[in-house]
Amino acid sequence: DADVTQTPRNRITKTGKRIMLECSQTKGHDRMYWYRQDPGLGLRLIYYSFDVKDINKGEISDGYSVSRQAQAKFSLSLESAIPNQTALYFCATSDFSAHTQYFGPGTRLTVL
Amino acid sequence: RKEVEQDPGPFNVPEGATVAFNCTYSNSASQSFFWYRQDCRKEPKLLMSVYSSGNEDGRFTAQLNRASQYISLLIRDSKLSDSATYLCVVNIPNTGNQFYFGTGTSLTVIP
Repeated sequence: DADVTQTPRNRITKTGKRIMLECSQTKGHDRMYWYRQDPGLGLRLIYYSFDVKDINKGEISDGYSVSRQAQAKFSLSLESAIPNQTALYFCATSDFSAHTQYFGPGTRLTVL
Repeated sequence: RKEVEQDPGPFNVPEGATVAFNCTYSNSASQSFFWYRQDCRKEPKLLMSVYSSGNEDGRFTAQLNRASQYISLLIRDSKLSDSATYLCVVNIPNTGNQFYFGTGTSLTVIP
């Protein structure tokens, strides 16, 4: 089984809809991250969490919110999706040393 | 200014060739450095960490030059399976240990 899983893997939605992307991990890591990837822009950090009670904004948090329900679960929400949020979204984890990140398989989101 | 900059390529090289990628970073407080590999539409995976003294893993050699703030990756004897996008990544402790990614360099190894 994969160490970091994301659901759904693909999603097409309409402008204005609320969307939740979920991430689960079995690596036992405290740190979890949400990134989006756009062509030509690389991966950009949306939010990160160092433990259940710690949530931090990343470079591009506007329009997004997160919830760290447990050590193993970190959800990303788009309260009112807009077309420029169409992207590939990755969840990642790392241990306290932050030396390596482990990525989920990604969620491809299309907002029409 | 971007924290990490890479030449996007593409680099198209024949099998067996040696190819080198460079990456520059802007924050002198950057502490840890990595090369990740990303296959098309898949998640990035760690290729290797980059240490100050330079390090080698088989056909791959990574170098760090702190004075000039650049990182390099050398691939010798390129294989078809090396075709991918290579991401340069730095970790900056005084930003909450965030990771910053370059946009990636595309490599295609041609038979």
